[in-house]
Amino acid sequence: EAGVTQSPTHLIKTRGQQATLRCSPISGHTSVYWYQQALGLGLQFLLWYDEGEERNRGNFPPRFSGRQFPNYSSELNVNALELEDSALYLCASSLWARSTDTQYFGPGTRLTVL
Amino acid sequence: AQSVSQHNHHVILSEAASLELGCNYSYGGTVNLFWYVQYPGQHLQLLLKYFSGDPLVKGIKGFEAEFIKSKFSFNLRKPSVQWSDTAEYFCAVNPSGSARQLTFGSGTQLTVLP
Repeated sequence: EAGVTQSPTHLIKTRGQQATLRCSPISGHTSVYWYQQALGLGLQFLLWYDEGEERNRGNFPPRFSGRQFPNYSSELNVNALELEDSALYLCASSLWARSTDTQYFGPGTRLTVL
Repeated sequence: AQSVSQHNHHVILSEAASLELGCNYSYGGTVNLFWYVQYPGQHLQLLLKYFSGDPLVKGIKGFEAEFIKSKFSFNLRKPSVQWSDTAEYFCAVNPSGSARQLTFGSGTQLTVLP
C-alpha cells in the first residue's frame, strides 16, 4: 500500500512569489493535515482538511491557504513568500477524523525562499 | 493551548545501554499521546500511542512508554538500544474529542555509538 506522497520534493522560490505544494493521502484516508518544520521552531500545525472542508488552522497568516479535492488530495498555497517561510512542509493523513487516529506522514517538500 | 516539552535535545548512548526520553505536556483535559521517530533520510513514523486503558504501552522495535497522569508525562523507554535506533524522536499530543492536530515537542536527537 502506497504511503502519503508529496510533490515536489524541493521547491525554490524568491520573495514575493507564490508556492504550491501537493499531497496525496493514503488510499481511503479522508483527513489531511499540513505541518511546517522550520529550523529552530520544530513541527507546527498549519491546516487540517476533512471531507473537502477546512476544519482547523494553526497560528499562521492568511497567506497560507489550501484546499482538499474530491479525491481527498490536497494543495497548500503560500502567497507573498517571505524568507522565513523556508522550511520542510509535511503532509499527513488519517483514516478518519478522530483524535485517536494515527497520522501518517509523507516525506515532505523542502521550500527554500531566496 | 497545549504545549509539549522534551528536555533532552541530544542524547548519546552506547549500544546495549538503556534509554529513557522525557516528555511532559501542558493541558488541563484528557489527551492522546504519541511518539514518532524520524530515521536519517526517512519520514516521520509512529512508534506508539496512548489514548486510554493500560498506561504502559508497547510500540514497535521494542519501545515502550508510560503515561503518568499526575506528572503530565509520557516518557519513552527501551531497555537496550541498537545502532539502528539512531534517529530523532518526537513526542506529540492532541486533546481528546476535539482538535485533531498534533502539538509536537522540539524533538530529541538520539545517537547510538556502535
